[in-house]
Amino acid sequence: AQSVTQLDSQVPVFEEAPVELRCNYSSSVSVYLFWYVQYPNQGLQLLLKYLSGSTLVKGINGFEAEFNKSQTSFHLRKPSVHISDTAEYFCAVSLIQGAQKLVFGQGTRLTINP
Amino acid sequence: EAGVAQSPRYKIIEKRQSVAFWCNPISGHATLYWYQQILGQGPKLLIQFQNNGVVDDSQLPKDRFSAERLKGVDSTLKIQPAKLEDSAVYLCASSLSQGARETQYFGPGTRLLVL
Repeated sequence: AQSVTQLDSQVPVFEEAPVELRCNYSSSVSVYLFWYVQYPNQGLQLLLKYLSGSTLVKGINGFEAEFNKSQTSFHLRKPSVHISDTAEYFCAVSLIQGAQKLVFGQGTRLTINP
Repeated sequence: EAGVAQSPRYKIIEKRQSVAFWCNPISGHATLYWYQQILGQGPKLLIQFQNNGVVDDSQLPKDRFSAERLKGVDSTLKIQPAKLEDSAVYLCASSLSQGARETQYFGPGTRLLVL
């Protein structure tokens, strides 16, 4: 079975500072990797996904993530955050074979301070 | 393009009562998912439909939860009878197909409080 660990439950940063949200996964077979964002009182929205190819994936709103197979990690980064980035961020995996079945981490709450 | 619609947005019930949630996916999306998101946790898949057939309901507590998607479009999720531990946000999502590479689009969720 697959599992996802998001190492930080909360990350406070100042506006315009860089941020990294950490995600590690466990799986005995190959997986696809996803980052979703959840703004207050809203559903989840896809930020980016890694399917194959370049290990550096660029997403919406200036976010990017790097897939590291040897470390089984998929950390999310942004060089300069804005107040509007305040949200909950979820890392997820899905097996490559068969129907998509997302397994989510517990989430990281990103708080941007002015 | 309209997103995934869910209703109601909020529901408060007493334990042992029943409750139903409704979801209308994005037009043309064949695959529909129901998730349970308990406070402080990530969403957990309850059931997945492909058109009007069930693909995966392995994590659905079938003694109290049921779901249907009779015409392959909108869907309802029911809890009967509710327990305190069912307090959560119930999210509906849809995708064009069930392929592993697909993007799931989520609705705003229904927040359920069981007293």
